[in-house]
Amino acid sequence: DAGVTQSPTHLIKTRGQHVTLRCSPISGHKSVSWYQQVLGQGPQFIFQYYEKEERGRGNFPDRFSARQFPNYSSELNVNALLLGDSALYLCASSSSTGGGRETQYFGPGTRLLVL
Amino acid sequence: QKEVEQNSGPLSVPEGAIASLNCTYSDRVSQSFFWYRQYSGKSPELIMSIYSNGDKEDGRFTAQLNKASQYVSLLIRDSQPSDSATYLCAVPSGSARQLTFGSGTQLTVLP
Repeated sequence: DAGVTQSPTHLIKTRGQHVTLRCSPISGHKSVSWYQQVLGQGPQFIFQYYEKEERGRGNFPDRFSARQFPNYSSELNVNALLLGDSALYLCASSSSTGGGRETQYFGPGTRLLVL
Repeated sequence: QKEVEQNSGPLSVPEGAIASLNCTYSDRVSQSFFWYRQYSGKSPELIMSIYSNGDKEDGRFTAQLNKASQYVSLLIRDSQPSDSATYLCAVPSGSARQLTFGSGTQLTVLP
């Protein structure tokens, strides 16, 4: 079975632009989470979606938004890009949400560089 | 106090030795704990999960959990150069039980 897929793998943007990152979860998984990982740190939680509803939001500005589609794929949008948005953006899928025992499986990530 | 703290490293061990990675967490209600391995330039890969106090073994890996001390560790026996990576401790927290990660411990296994 295919794992979590993300596109694109790499992206270069300039300050002020916007970007859309895409994620397809493991088949059968209904929950998608987005994380940002800057160099030298652990991933930081941005959003979680389950059955197309937002179930959690991390401490990120409103420039960050996301949505989940009926097929459970997801998009992360970032507007008005800043240099500090340069990071590895990770998508993780799990079979459900709540309870805390569900394992999250990560995709390969999208590496975003903002110039 | 950070929610999840790891010994920052870097940690170097010779090939064949035991590598010990430590993690403490602040949320007393946490019920599950995860260890991910991340190779340079790659995404995190799950290697162990543990839910109950005590030890859990999987091949060369052993996770140890002590909820009273809010401490979880990962032991890697017979370390191999291919184990050289950053190891991330993760604990579900928040309303969505999203993963909160430590900053990771970089492990180098020397041939």
